[in-house]
Amino acid sequence: DTAVSQTPKYLVTQMGNDKSIKCEQNLGHDTMYWYKQDSKKFLKIMFSYNNKELIINETVPNRFSPKSPDKAHLNLHINSLELGDSAVYFCASSHLDQPQHFGDGTRLSIL
Amino acid sequence: GDSVTQMEGPVTLSEEAFLTINCTYTATGYPSLFWYVQYPGEGLQLLLKATKADDKGSNKGFEATYRKETTSFHLEKGSVQVSDSAVYFCALSSSSGNTPLVFGKGTRLSVIA
Repeated sequence: DTAVSQTPKYLVTQMGNDKSIKCEQNLGHDTMYWYKQDSKKFLKIMFSYNNKELIINETVPNRFSPKSPDKAHLNLHINSLELGDSAVYFCASSHLDQPQHFGDGTRLSIL
Repeated sequence: GDSVTQMEGPVTLSEEAFLTINCTYTATGYPSLFWYVQYPGEGLQLLLKATKADDKGSNKGFEATYRKETTSFHLEKGSVQVSDSAVYFCALSSSSGNTPLVFGKGTRLSVIA
């Protein structure tokens, strides 16, 4: 059973388009995260949700809008995609003081 | 703010060589420390962790000891294998739970037969 699953795994699209990435976890965790990994492999937090409530937004452009319909899901919608949005986006989840579990990532390529 | 510094790669070793990847951190309070590994084309997997000073995390032959006096969490393995080739990330979490990880920049390890 996949613990944290993201779809799609690959996303190729053109500048200016709007796209969404979905994330689901079946671990019963109450906190979920989105991280961005750039072309140099550097990982940085974007958002953190706890029980469907946004608790951290790390100065991400407002073209990025996370949505958490329930505590098992955290989706990421991106408007007006730009070249600089090309990256690998990782979803993660955690519970209390346990380590975070990561999904396999979504590689977003902007043409 | 909190930060993690790890040695830059890439690191290339022969099979059965000794591995050390240095990691130091800056944080207020008492962070938890982690090593994550990313195999080619895959997501991040937790390799090991330590939650308080002098704790030693270990897994799959890898070890790291939480050294508060030197603010370090160096990763070591006595004898690497080709299958250990991956990118290794040192990370910290600033409080006891449910806080985002702060990552180092990652160190790519290549092990050749």
